[in-house]
Amino acid sequence: AQKITQTQPGMFVQEKEAVTLDCTYDTSDPSYGLFWYKQPSSGEMIFLIYQGSYDQQNATEGRYSLNFQKARKSANLVISASQLGDSAMYFCAMRDTGTASKLTFGTGTRLQVTL
Amino acid sequence: DAGVTQSPTHLIKTRGQHVTLRCSPISGHKSVSWYQQVLGQGPQFIFQYYEKEERGRGNFPDRFSARQFPNYSSELNVNALLLGDSALYLCASSARWGQGNTEAFFGQGTRLTVV
Repeated sequence: AQKITQTQPGMFVQEKEAVTLDCTYDTSDPSYGLFWYKQPSSGEMIFLIYQGSYDQQNATEGRYSLNFQKARKSANLVISASQLGDSAMYFCAMRDTGTASKLTFGTGTRLQVTL
Repeated sequence: DAGVTQSPTHLIKTRGQHVTLRCSPISGHKSVSWYQQVLGQGPQFIFQYYEKEERGRGNFPDRFSARQFPNYSSELNVNALLLGDSALYLCASSARWGQGNTEAFFGQGTRLTVV
């Protein structure tokens, strides 16, 4: 069974600073995808970044980058130059290639960006 | 282009009643999945449909059912509502099924309150 662990319930970062949100995963499937989503208070899950298990390079999308360490089974999200609008819940998720091909989510990290 | 749309956005029901939630996927997407997000937790997988067939079911009681229509829109039905069914119900749309690198795009969710 797949499992995602996010050990940081809450994080604070000052505006314009970088922050790393931790995510570790567990799966026996050799082919999987790792995702990060942002959920503001409105509730919508906003896709941020994706990393495939066979990708050789770390994924980047604008200010977001994913620090993928396969041997450690970690997929940390790095947000550079934090903005006040980055304050939200952040979820790490994994999709396997099983029959359901479902997303398994972690418990989330609440990020608060301060002035 | 329209994203994933869900209706209604908010709903209040009484214990024992029935509820139907609706989802329209992104145009061209054939896969719809449903997730339940209880306050303070990550989303939990309920159902996945692809090409109008159920492809996966999470650990939810038979009171939960769903279907996908020929236009790929979907309904989630919950019978005999319990207080514990109060949650944000999220619909996700994907272009493919069964591949780990398939991105999922979420709607804004339906916030269900059972009183």
